[in-house]
Amino acid sequence: ETGVTQTPRHLVMGMTNKKSLKCEQHLGHNAMYWYKQSAKKPLELMFVYSLEERVENNSVPSRFSPECPNSSHLFLHLHTLQPEDSALYLCASSQREMIGDTQYFGPGTRLTVL
Amino acid sequence: EDQVTQSPEALRLQEGESSSLNCSYTVSGLRGLFWYRQDPGKGPEFLFTLYSAGEEKEKERLKATLTKKESFLHITAPKPEDSATYLCAVQAGANNLFFGTGTRLTVIP
Repeated sequence: ETGVTQTPRHLVMGMTNKKSLKCEQHLGHNAMYWYKQSAKKPLELMFVYSLEERVENNSVPSRFSPECPNSSHLFLHLHTLQPEDSALYLCASSQREMIGDTQYFGPGTRLTVL
Repeated sequence: EDQVTQSPEALRLQEGESSSLNCSYTVSGLRGLFWYRQDPGKGPEFLFTLYSAGEEKEKERLKATLTKKESFLHITAPKPEDSATYLCAVQAGANNLFFGTGTRLTVIP
């Protein structure tokens, strides 16, 4: 595997379910990011991790819980989501722990909340 | 309020017909402006970073320019494989990154 991978690629869940999204980067980068991409809306930065520590949380509801066990892996734990949370969730990584550094994106997880 | 606006929302070009995409921004403390390309079903792919007014960067048929209030992505003699959504993002301050909604480009053979 090369670059940034995300699993699953598609996920359908009910509002009472608990699920997790996984991201893995094979680039040796030090920072990882979660984004939400909804139709007709700009990409929204959700979380930033630098060297496994969260450095930014852009007022994301607590039903989204990130976890970064090491610099190569990033998870987004989901529970009691709402239909408006349906979106494409993108993971990205960058070499340096700077939000302005070049970011490399994964293919995303298409999430549908019923 | 920090804002990034891209226009047009969609653009259809004949193969070989050059044009420009616009990204205008109102942010305080611009640190960098980024262009990405996104194909359907894929994550954004980095194209360029511009840091100061007057800066230009080129890659194949694409050329990005930056002024104090906007950036242009010029596409010269586009090919069908250039069809994608082009995203602009602006870094304001240390930890703020704002994306536009993108321009969906279709190049017709």
